[in-house]
Amino acid sequence: DAGVTQSPTHLIKTRGQHVTLRCSPISGHKSVSWYQQVLGQGPQFIFQYYEKEERGRGNFPDRFSARQFPNYSSELNVNALLLGDSALYLCASSPRTGETYEQYFGPGTRLTVT
Amino acid sequence: QKEVEQDPGPLSVPEGAIVSLNCTYSNSAFQYFMWYRQYSRKGPELLMYTYSSGNKEDGRFTAQVDKSSKYISLFIRDSQPSDSATYLCAMKKRSGPGGGNKLTFGTGTQLKVEL
Repeated sequence: DAGVTQSPTHLIKTRGQHVTLRCSPISGHKSVSWYQQVLGQGPQFIFQYYEKEERGRGNFPDRFSARQFPNYSSELNVNALLLGDSALYLCASSPRTGETYEQYFGPGTRLTVT
Repeated sequence: QKEVEQDPGPLSVPEGAIVSLNCTYSNSAFQYFMWYRQYSRKGPELLMYTYSSGNKEDGRFTAQVDKSSKYISLFIRDSQPSDSATYLCAMKKRSGPGGGNKLTFGTGTQLKVEL
């Protein structure tokens, strides 16, 4: 079975630009979460969506937004990019929300802002 | 103060050694405790999970949770060069059915197992 897939793999953007990152969860999984991992740090929670509804939001500015589609894939959008947005963006897939330990991560999208 | 503290290392051990990795936490609401392994430039891979207190063993890996001390550990026996990676502890609060899935991670410990 295919795991979590993310696209693109790498991305280079300029300050002030906008970026869209995409995630396809494991087949049958209805929850997608997004995390930001800065070099040398653990992942930080950005958003969670379950069945197209937002179920959690981390401490990130409004420049960050996300949505989930009917097929449970998801997009993360970041506007007005800053140098500090350079990081590995990870998507995590889960079959359910709430009482579960199961979250499986994709390979990530490495974003570089220059 | 961070909710989850983890020594970033690096930790270097000889092949065959027993490795001990640890995290402490401050929020008593955490009920799920996970360990992820992350190879360079890859996504984290779920290794072990424990609900509430106790021990769990899977092959060469043992996870321990001591909620009274707010301390969790991962032990790796007979370590191999292929175990060289960053090990992340992660924790989740009990949120009830339909609640959220937010994980809170430590900074990760970089482990190198040398021949």
